[in-house]
Amino acid sequence: DGGITQSPKYLFRKEGQNVTLSCEQNLNHDAMYWYRQDPGQGLRLIYYSQIVNDFQKGDIAEGYSVSREKKESFPLTVTSAQKNPTAFYLCASSPSWGPPDNEQFFGPGTRLTVL
Amino acid sequence: GQQVMQIPQYQHVQEGEDFTTYCNSSTTLSNIQWYKQRPGGHPVFLIQLVKSGEVKKQKRLTFQFGEAKKNSSLHITATQTTDVGTYFCAGPGKNYGQNFVFGPGTRLSVLP
Repeated sequence: DGGITQSPKYLFRKEGQNVTLSCEQNLNHDAMYWYRQDPGQGLRLIYYSQIVNDFQKGDIAEGYSVSREKKESFPLTVTSAQKNPTAFYLCASSPSWGPPDNEQFFGPGTRLTVL
Repeated sequence: GQQVMQIPQYQHVQEGEDFTTYCNSSTTLSNIQWYKQRPGGHPVFLIQLVKSGEVKKQKRLTFQFGEAKKNSSLHITATQTTDVGTYFCAGPGKNYGQNFVFGPGTRLSVLP
């Protein structure tokens, strides 16, 4: 059963703690992405990776870090430097970086609440 | 940077009425994608438009890419309650390497 998974679905952390969100895909996609979505808002790109062992900052990378050591995995760490981390985090992947095969497949998301 | 705008922000319709959302870009787009996100869910890819003036249909959904490739529209005929959700358009980012920039979305409510 192919797809993209994120865990956990809900996550609670105390202020000042780093937290890592998991994203795994078994679609054999080259490109992977992390987005942040705030209530009633659109998607903002945090980091993206065009290929394994490579990643680039998106629009709102400050306070976040990623790694892409394996093709199927793209974990996101929300650090204590992120001033307002409470949000819905979405991971996505696409077959390739450029069109026409760059439609994005999204995971179910992780709702992070920082107390 | 690249900006992708959508109107309206919200739309409430009676079941059976038609619905249209518009996507506008500050620059010419090489292609545009549309996604749907159900309440509490994640975005799901609907379609990609590439050619100037292109029109594509998926059952009751009609997608159009403007002749100047700076705008796009999504039209739903005879809405159903299953159409409820937020519809996003996404266009290529202006900066090198940035894949897509998502618009703010149009949230559709369908009253039974």
